[in-house]
Amino acid sequence: SQQGEEDPQALSIQEGENATMNCSYKTSINNLQWYRQNSGRGLVHLILIRSNEREKHSGRLRVTLDTSKKSSSLLITASRAADTASYFCATDITRGGGSNYKLTFGKGTLLTVNP
Amino acid sequence: DTEVTQTPKHLVMGMTNKKSLKCEQHMGHRAMYWYKQKAKKPPELMFVYSYEKLSINESVPSRFSPECPNSSLLNLHLHALQPEDSALYLCASSQVGYIQNIQYFGAGTRLSVL
Repeated sequence: SQQGEEDPQALSIQEGENATMNCSYKTSINNLQWYRQNSGRGLVHLILIRSNEREKHSGRLRVTLDTSKKSSSLLITASRAADTASYFCATDITRGGGSNYKLTFGKGTLLTVNP
Repeated sequence: DTEVTQTPKHLVMGMTNKKSLKCEQHMGHRAMYWYKQKAKKPPELMFVYSYEKLSINESVPSRFSPECPNSSLLNLHLHALQPEDSALYLCASSQVGYIQNIQYFGAGTRLSVL
């Protein structure tokens, strides 16, 4: 089953507006990450939030994590046309002492920011 | 240098061809990954190498053969592929033994199998 599920699947906004994307997951995690992917390109790591953190900021990005609800949200403030991309959450569920190689990616949200 | 370089960028091959995808990183990362990504889907993990040894094979068909000749290079050898194997193939790398598994991705190879 899919560990991460993003919501919405697609989001279209005007430049300057805020964009919020949500991610739900099923099992306990070590951390949750968000990645951006421009069309047909590789993924770029945006931000990581640990399981014992509730909120984290990086520039125009704000990530929240609610482990009781097994959900996370990514807020992009004052969006720009250049923010147009797909956004994926990825969960790391590695347990005690194991090598943490496997990230499980959600289905992604396609964000379109119109100029 | 946080770059992962993949070659070629595009590849078209017939079902009887043999080709290879290449990936290189110079960040000192000792974990390297191959992912397959179909259009409008998330990346799907195929293989993981740790310290040049295969750690994870996600039940990938044998027509895909990975190789890690040294700590900087990762290859994916392709043979007798099917049209459904057409996809974007992504390479990634990360540090080993850290709590945070942040992966650095290449731009990918767009593969078309005719």
